[in-house]
Amino acid sequence: QSALTQPASVSGSPGQSITISCTGTSSDIGGYNYVSWYQQHPGKAPKLIIYDVSSRSGVSDRFSGSKSGNTASLTISGLQAEDEADYYCSSFTSSSTKVFGTGTRVTVL
Amino acid sequence: EVQLVESGGGLVQPGGSLRLSCEASGFTFITYYMSWVRQAPGKGLEWLANIKQDGSEKYYVDSVKGRFTISRDNAKSSLYLQLNSLRADDTAVYYCARDGRPAAMDVWGQGTTVTVSS
Repeated sequence: QSALTQPASVSGSPGQSITISCTGTSSDIGGYNYVSWYQQHPGKAPKLIIYDVSSRSGVSDRFSGSKSGNTASLTISGLQAEDEADYYCSSFTSSSTKVFGTGTRVTVL
Repeated sequence: EVQLVESGGGLVQPGGSLRLSCEASGFTFITYYMSWVRQAPGKGLEWLANIKQDGSEKYYVDSVKGRFTISRDNAKSSLYLQLNSLRADDTAVYYCARDGRPAAMDVWGQGTTVTVSS
């Protein structure tokens, strides 16, 4: 099972919107509406922010998720300094396992 | 408070074994699938395995099949990961997590560090 593909880094200025892509296959992202997103600050455990493609897990509505075909996306609107972190997507797979994305470092300029 | 606390990490020689534990509190442990996830130094997250509520189904990533074994003791609200035939590339922080949503891990422990080195 290969890791899902994410851009290594994305940056934006405060107040701007950014989008992180997550590309998989028909055996994971494309086959199920079970995509989740995690935020991880340095030295901390990951935190669930989006599940089931677009449902927020108690986080600000500045975070939104979507999916089209084999690619899922996380959009952060109104970028804030505290959004600077690593972000990982994850998907359920046809083997009943899970797979993470390669991770994206978000930098607030 | 919903909480997961891992323990059992440490320094082990290549080829050695370790048993990681994860104690759950603040929720009904027996009603959830549970997962193990690891993160090598400076690297991304890697999902390793999960286990059904009653322990009857277990799933593993290919890279650890045959070397790692996930188990649970619902009476103790505890999750375990037996690590055998350890290699240098198993060096990582190991997290336990609750599968609170289908394929989404909504509660995480603080992690326990495993270092494989001679």
